[in-house]
Amino acid sequence: KAGVTQTPRYLIKTRGQQVTLSCSPISGHRSVSWYQQTPGQGLQFLFEYFSETQRNKGNFPGRFSGRQFSNSRSEMNVSTLELGDSALYLCASSQQGNGYTFGSGTRLTVV
Amino acid sequence: AQKVTQAQTEISVVEKEDVTLDCVYETRDTTYYLFWYKQPPSGELVFLIRRNSFDEQNEISGRYSWNFQKSTSSFNFTITASQVVDSAVYFCALSEANYGGSQGNLIFGKGTKLSVKP
Repeated sequence: KAGVTQTPRYLIKTRGQQVTLSCSPISGHRSVSWYQQTPGQGLQFLFEYFSETQRNKGNFPGRFSGRQFSNSRSEMNVSTLELGDSALYLCASSQQGNGYTFGSGTRLTVV
Repeated sequence: AQKVTQAQTEISVVEKEDVTLDCVYETRDTTYYLFWYKQPPSGELVFLIRRNSFDEQNEISGRYSWNFQKSTSSFNFTITASQVVDSAVYFCALSEANYGGSQGNLIFGKGTKLSVKP
């Protein structure tokens, strides 16, 4: 059974640009969550999607958005990138009630 | 408000020593879930254990054991006879139950970096 797949693994963007990250959950998992990890703030919840609907949202500005497709794959988008958006972005998939399985993450560097 | 505190920022031990990682949580909910994850240098968060608030039984899995005590809001993690491969950052996390009892999003502690030296 394939794990959670995140692409790309590494990304370098310039301030002001936008970026899209992708996450393919474990087959059969309908919930996908996104987390941001930075040295200063640690691991913080961004949002969760379930059956193509955003079910929960963390405390991040509107520049951070996401969506989920009918096959449960999810994308997150960050517009107007800032230096502070440099982070490891982790995606987790879940089958309701059975814990979260994380991908290897996308490391975003904003220069 | 929910909060997870891992007071130990870094721990260094010599191989074969036992080590305990502390985790203290805060929540007003009566139904919640507690987790431990391991993050090796590769970055992926590796699931170790999930416990619900109604199950206070301690658990042992090989060299790993977990002590859940609701009276002190603690969920501590012990590695017995540590090995170099145990070197990683360990995160404790809390998830409150959504309507319907399913798990909500994870609230993480700041993590404890464990270094096991040969």
